[in-house]
Amino acid sequence: AQSVTQPDIHITVSEGASLELRCNYSYGATPYLFWYVQSPGQGLQLLLKYFSGDTLVQGIKGFEAEFKRSQSSFNLRKPSVHWSDAAEYFCAVVLMTTDSWGKLQFGAGTQVVVTP
Amino acid sequence: KAGVTQTPRYLIKTRGQQVTLSCSPISGHRSVSWYQQTPGQGLQFLFEYFSETQRNKGNFPGRFSGRQFSNSRSEMNVSTLELGDSALYLCASSTGELRTPLHFGNGTRLTVT
Repeated sequence: AQSVTQPDIHITVSEGASLELRCNYSYGATPYLFWYVQSPGQGLQLLLKYFSGDTLVQGIKGFEAEFKRSQSSFNLRKPSVHWSDAAEYFCAVVLMTTDSWGKLQFGAGTQVVVTP
Repeated sequence: KAGVTQTPRYLIKTRGQQVTLSCSPISGHRSVSWYQQTPGQGLQFLFEYFSETQRNKGNFPGRFSGRQFSNSRSEMNVSTLELGDSALYLCASSTGELRTPLHFGNGTRLTVT
């Protein structure tokens, strides 16, 4: 079955340090992948998306993600985090099965805490 | 362009009551999806409406229902509320094409007592 897994439930990072959030997908063909961010009390905001082509995708707020087919991964990175990056991050895949065509399935999320 | 608007932002209901949540999509978007978000279960898909027709459905009991109007606005109804229905309900809109991302509202926080 198609799915996404975020292995890290919680990550703590110092302000100014680099950040990498892991996302693994399960899908035979090239998946449609997204990263969203959710700040407290807010809805989800799209950071970036991947459909095909260049495997390094640039997003908003200085984030990027790299699609690696060999590792079934779509990890999110930021070179230097800011206190405002503290939020929950969700990886998502578009399901393309007969009974779930076009549904967006989310991973469990990774909570990012930024320390001074 | 205005974003996705959900009303109300907060609701407190009693067990056994019913509730209706409203979602106004981004202008021009024909697809509206609903998600339930809880700390234990994460983001769970409820259903999607496209051009007034339910196109996808999640694994929720029949107490959860929805509809979409001709102007693409959508409502979600939960009948016979249970304590476990307490959650953040998120609405998202898109053009409805496979590759287009979802745009989310800020959600309705439902508390059932």
